[in-house]
This record gives sequence, structure tokens and C-alpha cells, in this order.
Amino acid sequence: DAGVIQSPRHEVTEMGQEVTLRCKPISGHNSLFWYRQTMMRGLELLIYFNNNVPIDDSGMPEDRFSAKMPNASFSTLKIQPSEPRDSAVYFCASSSSWDEQFFGPGTRLTVL
Amino acid sequence: AQTVTQSQPEMSVQEAETVTLSCTYDTSENNYYLFWYKQPPSRQMILVIRQEAYKQQNATENRFSVNFQKAAKSFSLKISDSQLGDTAMYFCAFTHHNNAGNMLTFGGGTRLMVKP
Repeated sequence: DAGVIQSPRHEVTEMGQEVTLRCKPISGHNSLFWYRQTMMRGLELLIYFNNNVPIDDSGMPEDRFSAKMPNASFSTLKIQPSEPRDSAVYFCASSSSWDEQFFGPGTRLTVL
Repeated sequence: AQTVTQSQPEMSVQEAETVTLSCTYDTSENNYYLFWYKQPPSRQMILVIRQEAYKQQNATENRFSVNFQKAAKSFSLKISDSQLGDTAMYFCAFTHHNNAGNMLTFGGGTRLMVKP
């Protein structure tokens, strides 16, 4: 298995633009997690899905952020409109119940 | 709610020596897992070691071992014979299973520098 796949690896955009981050979890895993990592706030859980259903989105900063998981092999995190304070590394992770989370390589987002 | 605390923001150790990173957690759960993740400069999050709360024996993975004190809610990581490649951020994490998946709670991390 190739592990958790995220795209793009790097994204530079201008304030106000829409940004879409993509994640392909490990086949067979039923939980998917989106995290944001910054120097100031550390590693924050934004949202997680179980069996494609959003379970807890209390970490989503505001309405500009949305996440979807249309099927077991794909998820997106969208920011619209983006702001400079959204600049961070965004990680996707997947797991099967009662097991470790496997992290993707992350997407480094820079909003100018 | 669960919390995980890493009280050492930064640590350094000489190559080949031993270092211990601290982690404490707070939970009312009785059955849970604890993890140490490593994040090198490449940013990739890598699992170092895991411990099941119901097991009394401390987990060991090569040069990495834990000291799990359930009553004290303490879960420290010991790195023996430190190598330059151990330089990284280390995160302690906690999870318990609920009906809807295994959400991880992370500590704030400890930045470890291994010096030649």
C-alpha cells in the first residue's frame, strides 16, 4: 500500500481564493482525520470521519472551512475564501478502529 | 475530556547518550492506547511506539522504550544510544475507542536535538 496520499504537497495562493486539499486514505481504513499544524497552535484536529460520516467537526475554525468524504477512498478539505492566517501544514490521517493513525506527508499551504 | 501534557518544549542530548521525554495525561477512561510519534524535519509523522493501557509490561522498540505508570497517568519515552537521526519533534498522544472511531489527543510536542 502506498500509505496515505495527499495532494498537493505545496500550495501557494492569494487571499480570497478557494483552496481544495485532497486525501486518499489507506485502503480498508474506516476513519479519516484532518489536522492543521502551526507553530503557534501546534497540531489541531479539524474534523474526523468514520465510515465516511463526519463525526466531530468542532475543530473546524469557521464557516470558511468545509470537508467532505464522498466515498471510502477520497476526502477533501476546502477553504473558501482563504486568508493569510490559514497558512499552515494540513495533514490527513487514516486508521482502523483501535489502531494507530497513519499520516500523510502533509500539504504546506501559504496564503499571501 | 482528555488532555495530554508534554512539559519539556525542547531538549538536547549528546549522540550515543540516553534521553527521556516526559508525558502526562488525564482521562477517566480505563481502556485506552498511548502513542509516541516522531516528526523529523521532513514533517512526516511517524509512529515510534504504542502502549495498551491494559498491559502492565512497558513497550519496547529497539532503542525506544516507555515507562508507563497508569496510576500516575504518566507515559515517558526513553531513547537509548541517541543518534543524529533522532533529531525531531516528538508528540505524545492518547486515544480511546468510542463507537465512532479512535480520535487522538496530542500533547504540545518536545523538540529533541541530538548533538554530535
